[in-house]
Amino acid sequence: GENVEQHPSTLSVQEGDSAVIKCTYSDSASNYFPWYKQELGKRPQLIIDIRSNVGEKKDQRIAVTLNKTAKHFSLHITETQPEDSAVYFCAAISGSARQLTFGSGTQLTVLP
Amino acid sequence: GAGVSQSPSNKVTEKGKDVELRCDPISGHTALYWYRQRLGQGLEFLIYFQGNSAPDKSGLPSDRFSAERTGESVSTLTIQRTQQEDSAVYLCASSLAAGQAYEQYFGPGTRLTVT
Repeated sequence: GENVEQHPSTLSVQEGDSAVIKCTYSDSASNYFPWYKQELGKRPQLIIDIRSNVGEKKDQRIAVTLNKTAKHFSLHITETQPEDSAVYFCAAISGSARQLTFGSGTQLTVLP
Repeated sequence: GAGVSQSPSNKVTEKGKDVELRCDPISGHTALYWYRQRLGQGLEFLIYFQGNSAPDKSGLPSDRFSAERTGESVSTLTIQRTQQEDSAVYLCASSLAAGQAYEQYFGPGTRLTVT
């Protein structure tokens, strides 16, 4: 089955700086990669996703890149703000599967 | 419209007791998923339902765990003879259908504490 690894487990940045979170996956058939944000005590919420037919996707301050050859994908947050502080999870799913496999999460702290 | 709801929000139970956790998916969503999230860890897939198809139980950690869903509505996750290692937040999610084309919407979770 699929295995997703996520790094780093914790990340602290100064407000205004960029943050990058990286994930690798094992199943070369995986073709959909969502990112979820989970604030303390709240439910995970989808913030951006990418499919295997594109290499990059942007949505305002958030971008995701995908390298299918290396089987890794990354989340980039620019101009970070304190409200970006949360746990971020990457996930992957292959065309034959029906459930997501999640990474272990990254606790992002944006320092004011 | 209403999102995914779960009840109870918190449950404290004694080791060895059975518990039932409830999930109400978004109306019209045919797929429903259960995940377990231990403190400081990622989401661990447990089971999913898709319409009237047989559920995928491949993530259930032991035969003490079971889940049911009536049609495309409410689902209950039952844990029998609870153990301390069952302590976690149990998250439910629903989507229009199963698979990568459809966003999963999560409920607020049930925090289970086994004493």
